[in-house]
Amino acid sequence: AAGVIQSPRHLIKEKRETATLKCYPIPRHDTVYWYQQGPGQDPQFLISFYEKMQSDKGSIPDRFSAQQFSDYHSELNMSSLELGDSALYFCASSFPSGGQETQYFGPGTRLLVL
Amino acid sequence: AQSVTQPDIHITVSEGASLELRCNYSYGATPYLFWYVQSPGQGLQLLLKYFSGDTLVQGIKGFEAEFKRSQSSFNLRKPSVHWSDAAEYFCAVGGRPPGTYKYIFGTGTRLKVLA
Repeated sequence: AAGVIQSPRHLIKEKRETATLKCYPIPRHDTVYWYQQGPGQDPQFLISFYEKMQSDKGSIPDRFSAQQFSDYHSELNMSSLELGDSALYFCASSFPSGGQETQYFGPGTRLLVL
Repeated sequence: AQSVTQPDIHITVSEGASLELRCNYSYGATPYLFWYVQSPGQGLQLLLKYFSGDTLVQGIKGFEAEFKRSQSSFNLRKPSVHWSDAAEYFCAVGGRPPGTYKYIFGTGTRLKVLA
């Protein structure tokens, strides 16, 4: 079965650079979630989109922005990168199920900021 | 505020022994509950989920979990652990409509399996 695709899988950036992470949801899934997992930490919710509109926002820095496109893929744009942004970034997708949604996670993008 | 607590940061069991990972939640209503497993360097794989109905849910890889409303718990169990079960396990609470659907994760329990 098709799964959530994230690219790139690994990314190395310098401080103050920008990064763009991409997420391709499971076909027919219209909701995308982004999570950040720091080293040894639990995943923390950043932002979500439903039908190309932002549906919820968590602890996402102002330096980060995201959007969902017409084909439902999503991009997380990160600017002025800081050392503390080094983390595993997960994307998850879900399909409306009468409110009983299950999120399916991608393999993650591991970002290292030097 | 909504929260999830996994009291055990690390657990070590021998292969073939039984396993129970604890999860307690704080939520205004009956939440949706999930267990995910993360192998080193890997993504999060769904083990099982609870929305409503039977409080004992079966998942993949021989795992099961029981929802106990009175104890605000959703503990994960497996009768006989295999070496390949060594990983980190996350309990998560998901919201109900009309609220947010974002997940709140516990801090995880790292399972080590002795041969």
